[in-house]
Amino acid sequence: DADVTQTPRNRITKTGKRIMLECSQTKGHDRMYWYRQDPGLGLRLIYYSFDVKDINKGEISDGYSVSRQAQAKFSLSLESAIPNQTALYFCATSDPTGGNEQYFGPGTRLTVT
Amino acid sequence: GQNIDQPTEMTATEGAIVQINCTYQTSGFNGLFWYQQHAGEAPTFLSYNVLDGLEEKGRFSSFLSRSKGYSYLLLKELQMKDSASYLCAVWNSGYSTLTFGKGTMLLVSP
Repeated sequence: DADVTQTPRNRITKTGKRIMLECSQTKGHDRMYWYRQDPGLGLRLIYYSFDVKDINKGEISDGYSVSRQAQAKFSLSLESAIPNQTALYFCATSDPTGGNEQYFGPGTRLTVT
Repeated sequence: GQNIDQPTEMTATEGAIVQINCTYQTSGFNGLFWYQQHAGEAPTFLSYNVLDGLEEKGRFSSFLSRSKGYSYLLLKELQMKDSASYLCAVWNSGYSTLTFGKGTMLLVSP
């Protein structure tokens, strides 16, 4: 089984709808991250969390919110989706005692029409 | 702030050697990562350099010069499966986060 999983893998939604992307990990890592990837722009950090009580905004947090329900679960929400949030979304985890390498989930392809 | 530059695209021939460069200007630098990403898939870890010098791992090597803000990834004996995007990422110790470059798309042809 994959160490970092994301659901759904693909989603098409309409402008104005609320949508939640979920991430779960079995690696036992405290640190979790949400990124979006757009063609030509690379990976950009949306939010990150170093434990259940620690949530931090990344480079592009506007229009997004997150919830760290447990050490293993980190969800990303779009309260009112807009077309420019169409992107590939990745969740990642890391362990600072293990060299800071980040392990990525398979990604969620989100299309907002 | 962070500024990371790498070429957008490169092409090479199967069996050849290719060097992908990455330059960075950043505060709080504490290491540089290289990731490989095939189209539509998750990035996967290739290397991590903290100290100056060359790190070799099989067909892949990575070099870092902290004084010059420069790194490169060297791929030897290229194979078709090496066609992918290669992402340079800088570790910021102040925030404990990674900042990624825009990636270099490598196309390996027969």
